[in-house]
Amino acid sequence: SQQGEEDPQALSIQEGENATMNCSYKTSINNLQWYRQNSGRGLVHLILIRSNEREKHSGRLRVTLDTSKKSSSLLITASRAADTASYFCATAGGNAGGTSYGKLTFGQGTILTVHP
Amino acid sequence: NAGVMQNPRHLVRRRGQEARLRCSPMKGHSHVYWYRQLPEEGLKFMVYLQKENIIDESGMPKERFSAEFPKEGPSILRIQQVVRGDSAAYFCASSPLASGNEQFFGPGTRLTVL
Repeated sequence: SQQGEEDPQALSIQEGENATMNCSYKTSINNLQWYRQNSGRGLVHLILIRSNEREKHSGRLRVTLDTSKKSSSLLITASRAADTASYFCATAGGNAGGTSYGKLTFGQGTILTVHP
Repeated sequence: NAGVMQNPRHLVRRRGQEARLRCSPMKGHSHVYWYRQLPEEGLKFMVYLQKENIIDESGMPKERFSAEFPKEGPSILRIQQVVRGDSAAYFCASSPLASGNEQFFGPGTRLTVL
């Protein structure tokens, strides 16, 4: 498997329901980020959680990080049709000052469809 | 403050031609990253540049691909002698610091090789 793999690959829910997406990674990280991509568009940053944090909230978003299991989850509560998009987790390397420090390693993404 | 700008948004090239993709980072950002996205896949890191320097090109194919970020002007991703397998969306991102924090993405350039 690759660094930053999400599951499920696709998720279809009704408006108002919660959506949970998971991400696993392999190497040590400095932080883990979630991005959203609407069809044919660029990526929009949603939330960042550092390696020493376990949970973070931002509006309807809740992110958890378990560094012992090398996994993270993104929860979107009370979903809306406008949340329909692809969601990607991305990890930033753990070597501060190293060449890998700036680049992000993305997973394959979860395609979320929210039906009105 | 304008976001990251990329042009062209769509580029069609025939096999063997050259493709030049441009990226203007957000104002005040001196770190630029290029990623490639194949259909139905996530983004793959290609290269990380600072002004006039290539910091990490570990994701760049060894041949035909090059990138630069001159002191003045946009960052350029250049693909020589394009092949059909180069067809993809190419995204540029920028950040103010090399901290591994949030990166700001442009809308992408969709390259189609005929």
